Amino acid sequence: GQQLNQSPQSMFIQEGEDVSMNCTSSSIFNTWLWYKQDPGEGPVLLIALYKAGELTSNGRLTAQFGITRKDSFLNISASIPSDVGIYFCADPSNTGNQFYFGTGTSLTVIP
Amino acid sequence: NAGVTQTPKFQVLKTGQSMTLQCAQDMNHEYMSWYRQDPGMGLRLIHYSVGAGITDQGEVPNGYNVSRSTTEDFPLRLLSAAPSQTSVYFCASRPGINYGYTFGSGTRLTVV
Repeated sequence: GQQLNQSPQSMFIQEGEDVSMNCTSSSIFNTWLWYKQDPGEGPVLLIALYKAGELTSNGRLTAQFGITRKDSFLNISASIPSDVGIYFCADPSNTGNQFYFGTGTSLTVIP
Repeated sequence: NAGVTQTPKFQVLKTGQSMTLQCAQDMNHEYMSWYRQDPGMGLRLIHYSVGAGITDQGEVPNGYNVSRSTTEDFPLRLLSAAPSQTSVYFCASRPGINYGYTFGSGTRLTVV
């Protein structure tokens, strides 16, 4: 299936710090989606990006659609304990009817 | 709207038993999928459907069957459970190909 590589694989940060993570693909994407999965729950859509270069915010979260269309970035400002979870990127249409997720970035926030 | 509802939330099976994981959505979404997530791992696509009567395999379909007789329901069947099928199973639905999925809360399955 589609391989979306996310980095870093895991992060341990102090509360209040900013966080940056990214997702890369060998294929050009038309859409980038970012999901968050809280412990014990299903993933929830955070941000959707539809154009190269697009920058979109959702509260303290900001995501960007890379200009090469092969990558995307997610930033979290002033992290808080409830930011803990796994963050996944995904493209809903690049592989036809199938829908694959990235490998995930696990975030731990230390109070 | 209830969104995507999965039942049961927890299940323990013995090796060789069969069971059906239920999934229902009330959003009139055409696309539905089943994923499995192993500890510390990402989401792997098992089967998906693009509408009633249409299903196809994902990347890890072996040992699982699906059917889609209605838009609302997309059950996942384990024909003969194996310990390797111990996992958390997520069902998801979306309106169309350019949209993200809405997920259920998962079924935690243990095969002993």
